[in-house]
Amino acid sequence: QVTLKESGPGMLQPSKTLSLTCSFSGFSLSTSGMVVSWIRQPSGKSLEWLAAIDWDGDKYYNPSLKSRLTVSKDTSNTQVFLKITSVDTADTATYYCAQGFFDYWGQGVMVTVSS
Amino acid sequence: DVVLTQTPPTLSATIGQSVSISCRSSQSLLHSNGNTYLNWLLQRPGQPPQLLIYLVSRLESGVPNRFSGSGSGTDFTLKISGVEAEDLGVYYCVQSTHAPWTFGGGTKLELK
Repeated sequence: QVTLKESGPGMLQPSKTLSLTCSFSGFSLSTSGMVVSWIRQPSGKSLEWLAAIDWDGDKYYNPSLKSRLTVSKDTSNTQVFLKITSVDTADTATYYCAQGFFDYWGQGVMVTVSS
Repeated sequence: DVVLTQTPPTLSATIGQSVSISCRSSQSLLHSNGNTYLNWLLQRPGQPPQLLIYLVSRLESGVPNRFSGSGSGTDFTLKISGVEAEDLGVYYCVQSTHAPWTFGGGTKLELK
């Protein structure tokens, strides 16, 4: 059974760095072809793909945010991380991680950027 | 970036009614490897999205066969043959043929 769970700070101040963790089970990120993505969704709005990392450690970023994003994974291939620098109120959203081409999703973690 | 335009933005249906949602892409989603990476997702209220259809027309395991997908190139359609109450929510198309991967704006299915 594939499960993913996001964790993060809940709230942070503008200009800070947002750090998110996606912990997963039921699959291995070391399997050829496997990929984990980060997606976000402001309240009441559509979805925006942010970044992905694949089984080989290759990283993919949305160009609109690339300068602020860093995606990485742990050596045991059971967690994926996302850092977003210099956050502002526009980064307030629910952040999801998903396996594959959006096959399985975590429940999401709500992040509010506010002073 | 590839723009996916979904119509209609809102769809009102009665239980048992058949409905269709359109997803039009700003460029062809046919990949050089011959696959077309167009998926359909359903997001029920307060829930994360779930995969319904992948590669245009392949039904995800466990998804009822009243859902079907069709299309090619730039025009795609999701059809629900006989809406049930559990189908209510927002439907999204998403493409992963071209980077960055992009989502449609969503179609909200509600009860009439």
